[in-house]
Amino acid sequence: DAKTTQPTSMDCAEGRAANLPCNHSTISGNEYVYWYRQIHSQGPQYIIHGLKNNETNEMASLIITEDRKSSTLILPHATLRDTAVYYCIVRVNTNAGKSTFGDGTTLTVKP
Amino acid sequence: GAVVSQHPSRVICKSGTSVKIECRSLDFQATTMFWYRQFPKQSLMLMATSNEGSKATYEQGVEKDKFLINHASLTLSTLTVTSAHPEDSSFYICSASGDRGIGDLHFGNGTRLTVT
Repeated sequence: DAKTTQPTSMDCAEGRAANLPCNHSTISGNEYVYWYRQIHSQGPQYIIHGLKNNETNEMASLIITEDRKSSTLILPHATLRDTAVYYCIVRVNTNAGKSTFGDGTTLTVKP
Repeated sequence: GAVVSQHPSRVICKSGTSVKIECRSLDFQATTMFWYRQFPKQSLMLMATSNEGSKATYEQGVEKDKFLINHASLTLSTLTVTSAHPEDSSFYICSASGDRGIGDLHFGNGTRLTVT
């Protein structure tokens, strides 16, 4: 799986958009970008994934650069409940179990 | 959809005893489940892959005789920590791939194991 780099921590004001970056410069053509988050003392939660097109669902939007070397997860209106560790994972979609969880980004949403 | 239930959520046991953790896929069938361990302020580390009807595949450095995995049905995998020691105290999490074929993982809420 391609290695990813994320900032250690970020703050965001409640109600504002949270933009979480991820660098994956060694991504292969058949590797997807997956995002998960882990709220304290809970299991991780799947958020969104994409290959090369931008994606949006009820939780977030995923913007992938044209060269696919980086991506941004966008939480459009962050709430206090979005405070969590966010993991960006790059892998082929048929090998879910081999997801490598790095250190992620600790997002703190502040009132 | 794709709900994974894990039980118990927390358990305290004495050193030398064994503890069983259950992981169930509630609304889908999971031929493969995954077990992770997470120490405080660290990320998840894959311990083993649980395959329905066959032996589990363990990651390097994980003792298969200490962490017994059974995946007897398409909706249940169990992890038994045998002869637990205080250093086994950790947060254990299971997951399963969703059934939409998109490679999404769905996780249980974890089990906090404390060995005294």
